[in-house]
Amino acid sequence: EIVMTQSPATLSVSPGERATLSCRASQSVSSNLAWYQQKPGQAPRLLIYGASTRATGIPARFSGSGSGTEFTLTISSLQSEDFAVYYCQQYNNWPLTFGQGTKVEIK
Amino acid sequence: EVQLVESGGGLVQPGRSLRLSCAASGFTFDDYAMHWVRQAPGKGLEWVSGISWNSGSIGYADSVKGRFTISRDNAKNSLYLQMNSLRAEDTALYYCAATTKQDWFDPWGQGTLVTVSS
Repeated sequence: EIVMTQSPATLSVSPGERATLSCRASQSVSSNLAWYQQKPGQAPRLLIYGASTRATGIPARFSGSGSGTEFTLTISSLQSEDFAVYYCQQYNNWPLTFGQGTKVEIK
Repeated sequence: EVQLVESGGGLVQPGRSLRLSCAASGFTFDDYAMHWVRQAPGKGLEWVSGISWNSGSIGYADSVKGRFTISRDNAKNSLYLQMNSLRAEDTALYYCAATTKQDWFDPWGQGTLVTVSS
């Protein structure tokens, strides 16, 4: 099983600032990496797939990068609606696995 | 409108069984692989099981292997999860989710809550 590790667990950021979230895989997943956003009481929403391709309707302030074992999700200028928990997920191998999440909170 | 609607959750005693359903609409169901993903209260996401479009490929997390069975009925646009020998640690919100050519999840349902407690 591929273990996904996200850091930090919590990120405190002021509105308008840049947020950088990290995700590391225990072995290479190539570019088979997705990012999700989850707000309280809601289902997760797909943000990024293929490590760097934004899903339909996702604003350009969200960007993903990386390949192999190291990945980054960047939110260029945080808006109020961006405060949420973010998960990475690898789909290179079954079992499909998620990171434990990074909570982005208002500073 | 693309929609996944889960049902069948509830309170169940340890050791008992429960069957979850997921009704799909607004897209061509048999173009998609389907999955169950769960989230324990206050915790992260855990993939539970997945099934290919034609049921030819099925997988389970180790935590549920031998106890849970995934199935689908393409004629009814429905996905199922038969859960046997339930344990307290199976308590979670169970989401169904779809994947296409590769296994990123989109869309998701809103989830159905399963509580295992005596």
